[in-house]
Amino acid sequence: EAGVTQSPTHLIKTRGQQATLRCSPISGHTSVYWYQQALGLGLQFLLWYDEGEERNRGNFPPRFSGRQFPNYSSELNVNALELEDSALYLCASSLAGYEQYFGPGTRLTVT
Amino acid sequence: EDQVTQSPEALRLQEGESSSLNCSYTVSGLRGLFWYRQDPGKGPEFLFTLYSAGEEKEKERLKATLTKKESFLHITAPKPEDSATYLCAVQAVGSSYKLIFGSGTRLLVRP
Repeated sequence: EAGVTQSPTHLIKTRGQQATLRCSPISGHTSVYWYQQALGLGLQFLLWYDEGEERNRGNFPPRFSGRQFPNYSSELNVNALELEDSALYLCASSLAGYEQYFGPGTRLTVT
Repeated sequence: EDQVTQSPEALRLQEGESSSLNCSYTVSGLRGLFWYRQDPGKGPEFLFTLYSAGEEKEKERLKATLTKKESFLHITAPKPEDSATYLCAVQAVGSSYKLIFGSGTRLLVRP
């Protein structure tokens, strides 16, 4: 069974630009979670999508947004990039409420 | 505020030298406690879920236990391939299933 996939693997952007990150969940999983792992910091919860709806978001500004498509894949958009947005962005999927399985992550570098 | 603290921050062991990692937590109501393993630059790999005090789970050389205030990850006769960062996370009741992570324990097992 295929795991969670994320694309791209690496992304380099300039401050002020927009970044789009993509995630495909494990087949059958309806929930997608996004986390940020900045250097030296732990994983911080960003967003939760379930059945196409945003269910909850963490303490991040509105320029972090996303959506979930009918096939349960998800997209994370980060607008007006700042240097401190440089991090590993991790997507996880689950059946709502159960164990979350993580993808390999997208390494975003903002210069 | 829900919080997870892991100790030690880093641990060096000789191959075969057993030890334990600690995860203490403060949460309004525990829905579940999760252990993950993370290799550098990769996404966390799910290891265990524990739901109630007294519960134990084992996988190969790893055993996780749970009390009302903390969890331990016991590593028996570790091998160099067990070297990784071990992450503990909690999920609180009514928290929308988001995971609150500790900062992790970096384990290095020397041959």
